[in-house]
Amino acid sequence: DQQVKQNSPSLSVQEGRISILNCDYTNSMFDYFLWYKKYPAEGPTFLISISSIKDKNEDGRFTVFLNKSAKHLSLHIVPSQPGDSAVYFCAARNTPSGYALNFGKGTSLLVTP
Amino acid sequence: SQTIHQWPATLVQPVGSPLSLECTVEGTSNPNLYWYRQAAGRGLQLLFYSIGIDQISSEVPQNLSASRPQDRQFILSSKKLLLSDSGFYLCAWSPTLNTEAFFGQGTRLTVV
Repeated sequence: DQQVKQNSPSLSVQEGRISILNCDYTNSMFDYFLWYKKYPAEGPTFLISISSIKDKNEDGRFTVFLNKSAKHLSLHIVPSQPGDSAVYFCAARNTPSGYALNFGKGTSLLVTP
Repeated sequence: SQTIHQWPATLVQPVGSPLSLECTVEGTSNPNLYWYRQAAGRGLQLLFYSIGIDQISSEVPQNLSASRPQDRQFILSSKKLLLSDSGFYLCAWSPTLNTEAFFGQGTRLTVV
């Protein structure tokens, strides 16, 4: 049962433009959300997170937005750079019930020059 | 700074053979440790987590086991591999259970 869904397996964006990666979840008890970036043959790297008490968190070029009523979060990368090309995973956790991070299947982002 | 080491990077094993993947963390003490697996076309799935030596919790029933013989060492094992055990295995650590996890480089396991 996939509780975290990334419905776009791939996304292509031109360098300098905004990349928007989307994530939907089904479990309303999730209270902590994270984005990871993964290059081929490497482990995921933590990017940014957001608690369910917030609706936005910003870190440099990366901003995560959380819409709890829609059970939707998104990662915005502005401006996009070729080095941002990677697979992005959305993850969520229901902290009181345990420590498992529920991951989506990932979205492959390609930033073209 | 903290670093996490995981090896080997790739592994091809025949069905029925044993498995041992090792993960070590440096630069921290009493980390929380995790084993994740990414099967083809799927997200990352938590297999085991550990809050201390010899304290292992399993998230999903499977053909694998985990052990933590030392504070910063986490081992994933199997006595007899199945074809369905193929996947990308990732070790991770976090300073507490309520923070983000930091991942190792991963091991690509192919069972043939």
